[in-house]
Order: sequence, then C-alpha cells, then structure tokens
Amino acid sequence: EVQLVESGGGLVQPGGSLRLSCTASGITFSNYWMHWVRQPPGKGLVWVSRIKSDGSSTTYADSVKGRFTISRDNAKSTLYLQMNSLRAEDTAVYYCARSQGAVPGTIPPYYWGLGTMVAVSS
Amino acid sequence: QTVVTQEPSFSVSPGGTVTLTCGLTSGSVSTSNYPSWYQQTPGQAPHTLIYSTNTRSSGVPDRFSGSILGNKAALTITGAQADDESDYYCVLHMGSGIWVFGGGTKLTVL
Repeated sequence: EVQLVESGGGLVQPGGSLRLSCTASGITFSNYWMHWVRQPPGKGLVWVSRIKSDGSSTTYADSVKGRFTISRDNAKSTLYLQMNSLRAEDTAVYYCARSQGAVPGTIPPYYWGLGTMVAVSS
Repeated sequence: QTVVTQEPSFSVSPGGTVTLTCGLTSGSVSTSNYPSWYQQTPGQAPHTLIYSTNTRSSGVPDRFSGSILGNKAALTITGAQADDESDYYCVLHMGSGIWVFGGGTKLTVL
C-alpha cells in the first residue's frame, strides 16, 4: 500500500525555521517527482514547490522563493521542505504529493499524504 | 500575474449533470497546461480525479470526465450523487515547472 506520511509541523514564531519531512512507502520513491502543497485554514490549495525524481531540478512559488528549500533523499525515500523566515501567512496544512509518473502530463500532484499543520504565531 | 479561475460555488440536483471550469485571467487553457482535477471533503486530503486533461485516476468512476471546453479546462460530473458534494480544485502548469491551483469550487448536491 502506498503511503506518504508528513511530519515536522508545529508552532513556530515569526522569523523562525522549520523542516518538514515526508516519508514514502510502498513505492519506488526515486521514480516520482514530488510536490509540496499547502492549504491555509479555511482556504484553498496552494502549490508551493516541486522537485524532479533525481533531485536535479526544483521550482518554487513566488511566495516562498528564497525562503523555502525542497530536497529529497532517495535512499531514505524521504522528501523535505526547509522553511526559513516564516511568516504568519505561511500558516497552513502542508501536504506532500507524488506525481503519477515522470512524463509531462503525469507530473502534477497525484497521490497525497494526510498533511502536517504549520502555525506561525508569536 | 495570471490567475487560475474557478466558479466559487455550484449547485446540482441529484442525478443531474454539472460542468465545472478552470480558466485563466489571461489566455486560454490548453492540453499543454496538463490540467488536473481534485476532490476534497472537509478535513480530508485531496483526491485526484483527473490528470493530463482527461485521464481518470485509478478507481474514479466514469461519471467524472475531463476535457477542454472552449478556452477552459472542464470537469463534468454526470449522474451527480450526494457524496459528490465536495470542494473541487484544478491545477495548471504555467510553464517553467510552475503549477498554480484555482481557488476551488464548492459543489452542493441538492
């Protein structure tokens, strides 16, 4: 059974840092592109970042560029999101999601984890 | 900055057909935007319905279909059921590895 389990969320003060992890099981992790998507309380989904299957390419939403870093360890089947200079508007449930495949039409988020909550507040 | 647009809300009768759309404030949606559609019920993670415009995700009933209608991506639900009452989101590839979600459509079945 495919599982994506996020961890590392919590309460952090503005300006602080947090590192999220997403551990995959039941799949060959290195075959898939991975995404982070967030959802502020009561609001819609917001794409945050994605990383290519081999880690060689990363992209970010403008709202997090320069503050967040996506990375992966294929040997550990784990995806990361390092979040620095956190702001109140970064408060959200953070989901990791894998692609369906590795060709262009199959890159978007496909299989989702259950999410981890990040709250930025003093 | 181009924004992805969706109807904020829609209503459909049980057994009816509804088409939700996903557009751009500037330009047209095409298959090159690789539109995907997601269903989300409150408190749950999103679930993928459609990817690459019109490919149904595994296990998704054929009541759900995706297409390009005019200058927008579209999700059509035929024979709507009570448990289709959910929030529906689309996502589009905007080029250069950037993806953007629409604001979502809250679908009511009544």
